[in-house]
Amino acid sequence: GNSVTQMEGPVTLSEEAFLTINCTYTATGYPSLFWYVQYPGEGLQLLLKATKADDKGSNKGFEATYRKETTSFHLEKGSVQVSDSAVYFCALRRANNAGNMLTFGGGTRLMVKP
Amino acid sequence: KAGVTQTPRYLIKTRGQQVTLSCSPISGHRSVSWYQQTPGQGLQFLFEYFSETQRNKGNFPGRFSGRQFSNSRSEMNVSTLELGDSALYLCASSPRTSGTTYEQYFGPGTRLTVT
Repeated sequence: GNSVTQMEGPVTLSEEAFLTINCTYTATGYPSLFWYVQYPGEGLQLLLKATKADDKGSNKGFEATYRKETTSFHLEKGSVQVSDSAVYFCALRRANNAGNMLTFGGGTRLMVKP
Repeated sequence: KAGVTQTPRYLIKTRGQQVTLSCSPISGHRSVSWYQQTPGQGLQFLFEYFSETQRNKGNFPGRFSGRQFSNSRSEMNVSTLELGDSALYLCASSPRTSGTTYEQYFGPGTRLTVT
């Protein structure tokens, strides 16, 4: 079946540090890949997505590239801010016509210190 | 445009009781999905409804059920509550049930505590 594995947290960084959160997946076909962010006491917000191999999703300084050869979708940001402190989830959705079901990784808590 | 709303936001129930949670999708969205979030199991898919029909179902016991109304609002019901049902229940809506173009938007969740 489908699965998503992401690095365990917490990840603690100083402000302006470089961020990488690793995500690898197992799926048949060509799933769509997503990064969601969850702030304390809130639901999930879509951060970025990629729908085919070599696509790069980007938003608010965050980037991730869909790597079919390594089945990965690592999240990166060049300079983190305190406001980026949250839990980040990598997720996949099966290829077209398979519904909207998302399979999530376990989440990675990011803590950014001033 | 208003976002996904979930009611109630917080709920405390006793073991053995049943509970109904409600989700109102974004206007025009016809797909509603439900997820359970716990510290131990993470985020797990419960079910998806599209145009009043269950589209997909996750691996949960029959105590968990749902439905969708003609206005796309959805409810989920959990009968005979167990302590392990304590979780944040998230609802997500999308315009369609397939296609890479469409994104899902999540509500703030309902925090259910079973004592």
